[in-house]
Amino acid sequence: DAGVTQSPTHLIKTRGQQVTLRCSPKSGHDTVSWYQQALGQGPQFIFQYYEEEERQRGNFPDRFSGHQFPNYSSELNVNALLLGDSALYLCASSPSGLAGGSVETQYFGPGTRLLVL
Amino acid sequence: AQSVTQPDIHITVSEGASLELRCNYSYGATPYLFWYVQSPGQGLQLLLKYFSGDTLVQGIKGFEAEFKRSQSSFNLRKPSVHWSDAAEYFCAVASGGYNKLIFGAGTRLAVHP
Repeated sequence: DAGVTQSPTHLIKTRGQQVTLRCSPKSGHDTVSWYQQALGQGPQFIFQYYEEEERQRGNFPDRFSGHQFPNYSSELNVNALLLGDSALYLCASSPSGLAGGSVETQYFGPGTRLLVL
Repeated sequence: AQSVTQPDIHITVSEGASLELRCNYSYGATPYLFWYVQSPGQGLQLLLKYFSGDTLVQGIKGFEAEFKRSQSSFNLRKPSVHWSDAAEYFCAVASGGYNKLIFGAGTRLAVHP
């Protein structure tokens, strides 16, 4: 089992551009969450996808959007990039139907490090 | 609003010494609490979690944490630190119907030989 995989590992973009980050969940997991981790800070929840729908969203602008595919993989899209979007973007997957919610059994990927110049 | 505070940004200990990392939370109901570790260039690895029951929780790599409701704390401990424990440690509380985590800002641990 490969665990949660993310691509690319690193990315450099310029202000105003758009970026797409990808995540493949751990085998058997159908729920995908995205987090943004700025340098020197803890991760912040962006949104969660389940059954190809956005189930929950954190305090992020509409420039951040996502998608989940029938095979449960997910994409995070960020439009009109700002310097402040530079961060490590983490994907986490979990199985559904747990009494303790998605966080009870959640695995994180290694992240995609985005640098906006 | 729910929040997590890790008062110590950096901690340095000698190899073999004991360790305690502090975590305070703000949450209205029964909290689900977590400790994660992040090594450089890597994602987050779960050390342990508390949902209910025994307030002393055992985790991987010899770590344990104690939930103290009266102090709103969930401190992480290890009796003898190894050089490989040098990393960043994050405390988190579950929120949003237990579907998202709210993290603290982290504590960076350095281990001296």
